[in-house]
Amino acid sequence: EAQVTQNPRYLITVTGKKLTVTCSQNMNHEYMSWYRQDPGLGLRQIYYSMNVEVTDKGDVPEGYKVSRKEKRNFPLILESPSPNQTSLYFCASSRYGQGERNQPQHFGDGTRLSIL
Amino acid sequence: GESVGLHLPTLSVQEGDNSIINCAYSNSASDYFIWYKQESGKGPQFIIDIRSNMDKRQGQRVTVLLNKTVKHLSLQIAATQPGDSAVYFCAEISFGNEKLTFGTGTRLTIIP
Repeated sequence: EAQVTQNPRYLITVTGKKLTVTCSQNMNHEYMSWYRQDPGLGLRQIYYSMNVEVTDKGDVPEGYKVSRKEKRNFPLILESPSPNQTSLYFCASSRYGQGERNQPQHFGDGTRLSIL
Repeated sequence: GESVGLHLPTLSVQEGDNSIINCAYSNSASDYFIWYKQESGKGPQFIIDIRSNMDKRQGQRVTVLLNKTVKHLSLQIAATQPGDSAVYFCAEISFGNEKLTFGTGTRLTIIP
């Protein structure tokens, strides 16, 4: 089954404790992206990757890091989490970059992070 | 800055009636638009898309209309069913720009 898988689905942690949210897709997609979703603000892009070893900032990259060492995985790293990073996070992938050939993104089911 | 927004945050529709969800966008360079459906506890799910060289596109029970003159997008759902209850997002992108910009969403509730 074609899917985007995120782990963990839920995490409660404390300020300053480094955490990683993993994202994996099995569709051989070139493009992957991370979003956060907050009430009243919709989905905002954090980082995206056009292909292996190529990453770029989205709208709200501060406090986050990503890496794309292999095509299927795109982990989101919070080096020193803070309470304002409490949110619902989504990973997404598409065959090509959105502006390149108009391909819709496929989303994972989300990771709810609570930073105390 | 450029933004994509929705006219109404909530919409309640009787089961079996048609639903229309509206979306306004401000970036005149936007050339690709997508509607997503998000059910509780799940990620956004692709419904239908449309390119700027079209003004209408139909899928199964859904139709998207694009009016570039007034920068307006709508999603029509025919004969709504309980399973259509969800939050619906419009999103837009400009050619050559990799950023997909989402609206804040409309919650559609189907009344039995």
